[in-house]
Amino acid sequence: EPEVTQTPSHQVTQMGQEVILRCVPISNHLYFYWYRQILGQKVEFLVSFYNNEISEKSEIFDDQFSVERPDGSNFTLKIRSTKLEDSAMYFCAKQGAAGNTEAFFGQGTRLTVV
Amino acid sequence: GENVEQHPSTLSVQEGDSAVIKCTYSDSASNYFPWYKQELGKRPQLIIDIRSNVGEKKDQRIAVTLNKTAKHFSLHITETQPEDSAVYFCAAKRYQAGTALIFGKGTTLSVSS
Repeated sequence: EPEVTQTPSHQVTQMGQEVILRCVPISNHLYFYWYRQILGQKVEFLVSFYNNEISEKSEIFDDQFSVERPDGSNFTLKIRSTKLEDSAMYFCAKQGAAGNTEAFFGQGTRLTVV
Repeated sequence: GENVEQHPSTLSVQEGDSAVIKCTYSDSASNYFPWYKQELGKRPQLIIDIRSNVGEKKDQRIAVTLNKTAKHFSLHITETQPEDSAVYFCAAKRYQAGTALIFGKGTTLSVSS
């Protein structure tokens, strides 16, 4: 399986700033997900994405968040105006078209909002 | 929506002992139950999974059991080794593609030699 690669590995941003987290590569045939993990806590689902459309999103995924596929290869998560509580590890994950197959996680982006 | 409860939150065992972690779920439509191991600062990695048409699955020292009637599933690690020390997460998911993996809160397993 090709790996899911995330960039950057670590980002520090000031409160109120916009951040864009990237996940590469992307395939037309897979579902992609964003998950969040606040330090020491469980992994939380944010959103799933397939062929330029959101499949499902959680209550965490409010108007401050958006997902895009800007150039056909990257899959991005944008946080419009970061808050201190957005500090977390953000994981991109991919999964096959069958719903009960393994989800592969990227290595994550550690976001620190100061 | 789905809710996954996981117990215990911490588990300390001696090397060579067995470890058992238990999870319950609430959504009867869930039919895929993976277990992830996460080492400090790293990504969650799948160690074993089970689907609802199976009651038990084993892979070397790791086994998972599923009771759909009671809505609970368990991870069993035998002959534990220090390298088994990590945080273990259970999760549940409905069959439909694009639906969320709902995770438990995790169990910190410490294996002392």
